[in-house]
Amino acid sequence: EDQVTQSPEALRLQEGESSSLNCSYTVSGLRGLFWYRQDPGKGPEFLFTLYSAGEEKEKERLKATLTKKESFLHITAPKPEDSATYLCAVQATGGYQKVTFGTGTKLQVIP
Amino acid sequence: DVKVTQSSRYLVKRTGEKVFLECVQDMDHENMFWYRQDPGLGLRLIYFSYDVKMKEKGDIPEGYSVSREKKERFSLILESASTNQTSMYLCASSLSASGSKQYFGPGTRLTVT
Repeated sequence: EDQVTQSPEALRLQEGESSSLNCSYTVSGLRGLFWYRQDPGKGPEFLFTLYSAGEEKEKERLKATLTKKESFLHITAPKPEDSATYLCAVQATGGYQKVTFGTGTKLQVIP
Repeated sequence: DVKVTQSSRYLVKRTGEKVFLECVQDMDHENMFWYRQDPGLGLRLIYFSYDVKMKEKGDIPEGYSVSREKKERFSLILESASTNQTSMYLCASSLSASGSKQYFGPGTRLTVT
């Protein structure tokens, strides 16, 4: 069964203090790994899709990387508006495969 | 921009009531999904649909049913609401079933008393 584990559960950073969020996954064959951002009381918002080990994607202060067993979301010089819960999800290969989500990392950036 | 809308942001129902949650997407997406989100459990897939009148069970379909009569609309039905169905319900859509990002609605916070 596909599994996604995110760590830490919560992270508190000072504004400008860079850090990384981890997503470890187990899947029979990876079709895609997704990162979403979720603000309180809202639905998740898509950030990135990574398809193969070694791939990297960037958007503003966020950079996502992928290995065969985990993905990292690096946050460089975060701002308070980056505070949110970040969700990782995987989709396996073979027919229609559902997306399995992790439980997320709640990020708080303090001014 | 893709827009996924859900009929209610907040809903309070009594145990045993039949509950309908509606979801509409405006981007002609083939695939639609219903999830529930609970603290510590993340998003769990209830049902999905890859075409009109087609549906597939997700991880936790018990106590739920779905309907997709039109491509843009996907309904989640709680046949007889129970307190353990109190949760945040999220609808999503995607262009294709494979490797495609999902667009989520704002969610419906359902409380069953």
